[in-house]
Parts: sequence; C-alpha cells; structure tokens
Amino acid sequence: DAKTTQPNSMESNEEEPVHLPCNHSTISGTDYIHWYRQLPSQGPEYVIHGLTSNVNNRMASLAIAEDRKSSTLILHRATLRDAAVYYCILAGSGSRLTFGEGTQLTVNP
Amino acid sequence: NAGVTQTPKFRVLKTGQSMTLLCAQDMNHEYMYWYRQDPGMGLRLIHYSVGEGTTAKGEVPDGYNVSRLKKQNFLLGLESAAPSQTSVYFCAGRTSGSYEQYFGPGTRLTVT
Repeated sequence: DAKTTQPNSMESNEEEPVHLPCNHSTISGTDYIHWYRQLPSQGPEYVIHGLTSNVNNRMASLAIAEDRKSSTLILHRATLRDAAVYYCILAGSGSRLTFGEGTQLTVNP
Repeated sequence: NAGVTQTPKFRVLKTGQSMTLLCAQDMNHEYMYWYRQDPGMGLRLIHYSVGEGTTAKGEVPDGYNVSRLKKQNFLLGLESAAPSQTSVYFCAGRTSGSYEQYFGPGTRLTVT
C-alpha cells in the first residue's frame, strides 16, 4: 500500500475552519483516499473518502489535488467534539485499511 | 440496532493464559476485521474475514487465531497470552460494496 505523510499535530480554535493536510506522492491510480478519526478512548470513525473529485458530506469536505499527490480534509467550523486523531489512508477498492499515526487535532475554546 | 459490539470491555490475563474476544454485529457486514492499537500508534490489522466461514491473515497475525462460524460474529483467540499482546483490540465490519468500516468500542487487554 502507498504511504501517507501527515503532520503529527495541529491546533485550531473553536468555530474556525481547519485544514488537515496529507501527502501521498506514491498514490496509484486505483487508490482511494480515506479519512477516519478517532476520538479519545473510542474506535475510529469514518469521515469521508474520495478518488479524484472533491467530496462533501455532513461531517467534512475532502479536497484532492489535481495530480492526486496530496489531499486536504476540511472541517468547516471546528467544535470541541472534533478534537481527535485524524488518519489519512490510501486503499484500493475493497482493500484493507493501513493506519499510520495520524494527526492529533487540538481544538481550543 | 446495536451496531458493532465487543465483549469484554476490559480483561487482565496472566502470561500463558488463553482467552477469546467476541465481536458481534447486526449490520449485515460481509467483511469483518480485528485490529490492535498500541499506545501512541495507529491500528494494525491482525486477521480479517471476507464472509462466513472464511478468515485471512493481516499484518500482525502471530499469536492469534480467529473464527467466523456465523456471519454476525467474529472471534479472536489468544491461545497463550504474552505481555507483548497487551493492547487495545478493535473489531470492525463493512458491507460489500461500501468503503466505510464501522468500528466497535474496543477491548483493553493487559497481560502481566
């Protein structure tokens, strides 16, 4: 599986937008970009996924670079509940997920 | 619906003891997965199943066995526990054709 690179940690203020970056320069044409998050003492939770086009859902938006070598998860208005570890994962259709260490997001009140 | 549930939530074992972790789901998942998560690290896949009666090895399968006799249940067994197996264990499920894995709340296992 292709690898992803994420910052270890990021900070944001409540009610401000958050842009979480992910680099994946060795992504293959069939790899989907998945984002999961893990709140403290809980199992991971699906956030969003995409292949080539930008995607929006009720939780977040996913912006994918034209060359697909990077992507950004966008939380439009961070809340204290969004404090979590965010994982960017590449996986082909039906493939298993390989979790890295993710980005620890801290949201300040 | 209960979703994905795990039993037990906590367990302490002595080295050499055995135990079975149960994952149950009522979401009609064809695919089920067992992961472990060590402190400060991401999840690592132990074993998985693509359907009732099937199992396959993941990234870190040594020391574990699994069974999927019924579609709704996926069991993870430790035959002879070792301190290196102290971890939090997560189960997950996914339906065929969906990309979203649903995770259980985890089992915290300590082996002394």
